[in-house]
Amino acid sequence: GDSVTQMEGPVTLSEEAFLTINCTYTATGYPSLFWYVQYPGEGLQLLLKATKADDKGSNKGFEATYRKETTSFHLEKGSVQVSDSAVYFCALSGRSGGSNYKLTFGKGTLLTVNP
Amino acid sequence: GAVVSQHPSWVICKSGTSVKIECRSLDFQATTMFWYRQFPKQSLMLMATSNEGSKATYEQGVEKDKFLINHASLTLSTLTVTSAHPEDSSFYICSASPLAGVYNEQFFGPGTRLTVL
Repeated sequence: GDSVTQMEGPVTLSEEAFLTINCTYTATGYPSLFWYVQYPGEGLQLLLKATKADDKGSNKGFEATYRKETTSFHLEKGSVQVSDSAVYFCALSGRSGGSNYKLTFGKGTLLTVNP
Repeated sequence: GAVVSQHPSWVICKSGTSVKIECRSLDFQATTMFWYRQFPKQSLMLMATSNEGSKATYEQGVEKDKFLINHASLTLSTLTVTSAHPEDSSFYICSASPLAGVYNEQFFGPGTRLTVL
């Protein structure tokens, strides 16, 4: 079945440091790939997505490129801020039977950015 | 943006009782809603998918009679944990999608922490 593996946390960085959170996947067919972010006390929010190979999703300074050859979708940001402290989830969308799709999530990576 | 609420945000109950969790889409109509379960330091696991007006589709290994899902309106889905036991203690999260049967962005609720004593 589909699966997502993302780097174990927690990750602690200083403000303005470079961020990489690795994510690899296993799936049949051609899934769409996502990064979700969960700020403390809030629900998951879509951060960015890519729907086909070589697509680059970007939002709020975060980027991730859909690499089919390495089955990866690593999240990067050039200069993190304290407000980026949150849990980040990598996910893929695949068929769940019939016409329904479902999201398969990684375990999440807690990022803490210190001033 | 699209907002999904859950109620209650946390609940503590005695073993053997039933607990109902509500999930509401506040500013859009949700033809499809999803229920997830999250254990500490683990990923979200999809429990079931429900389409308004029809029976929920449960994932393999999820007990239909224990986790009752009702999606009676386009803005409300409920999850009832029947005869709850300590092993049912978990974080339950719902999401809602405005398109029926086809993946689209899912908008997530803030989750409900269930503790069964």
